[in-house]
Amino acid sequence: DTGVSQDPRHKITKRGQNVTFRCDPISEHNRLYWYRQTLGQGPEFLTYFQNEAQLEKSRLLSDRFSAERPKGSFSTLEIQRTEQGDSAMYLCASSPGGTGGYEQYFGPGTRLTVT
Amino acid sequence: LAKTTQPISMDSYEGQEVNITCSHNNIATNDYITWYQQFPSQGPRFIIQGYKTKVTNEVASLFIPADRKSSTLSLPRVSLSDTAVYYCLVGAYDYKLSFGAGTTVTVRA
Repeated sequence: DTGVSQDPRHKITKRGQNVTFRCDPISEHNRLYWYRQTLGQGPEFLTYFQNEAQLEKSRLLSDRFSAERPKGSFSTLEIQRTEQGDSAMYLCASSPGGTGGYEQYFGPGTRLTVT
Repeated sequence: LAKTTQPISMDSYEGQEVNITCSHNNIATNDYITWYQQFPSQGPRFIIQGYKTKVTNEVASLFIPADRKSSTLSLPRVSLSDTAVYYCLVGAYDYKLSFGAGTTVTVRA
């Protein structure tokens, strides 16, 4: 399967712990996106990479959140000192460069539960 | 980004055609209309995109009237596997997709 993959698929953590999620985009895609989705809502944009450069961060991405994409390949999203409000599905997507930014390919997501 | 309004939910039966209308009164000249589908516990999947008139692919058709203030996603002969949330997005070429709450379509046998 050559789609976007995310690991882990599920994560349960206690409040105050740090968690890290990984996303592997489609190999030839140089754009990578992170979204967060809570129950009953559509995904909300968090951040965007063009190759290894992080070009925009939503104000939803507080100082406890950090994302990286070393060497423009896989990406990681880390949440420090998790809070119960961080419980959500974290989705990664990728797309090729050039036009067509509205067609993004999403992974299956990582469901985070903070207890 | 243009605000969109779509029904919260729709019910249908297998074999029927489902039409979901999305209102976007403030659509700008450069905006495209894009629809995504999301199954439970999966990420959204791009279905179709259009600018004006009609666009058709193997999954759906998208009808856009001349004033572009609304659009209709048409799913022909739905099956149980078409049960999902469908999102209407309106905007110019951009990297930030802006999803609303979507329309939950439930297909019954």
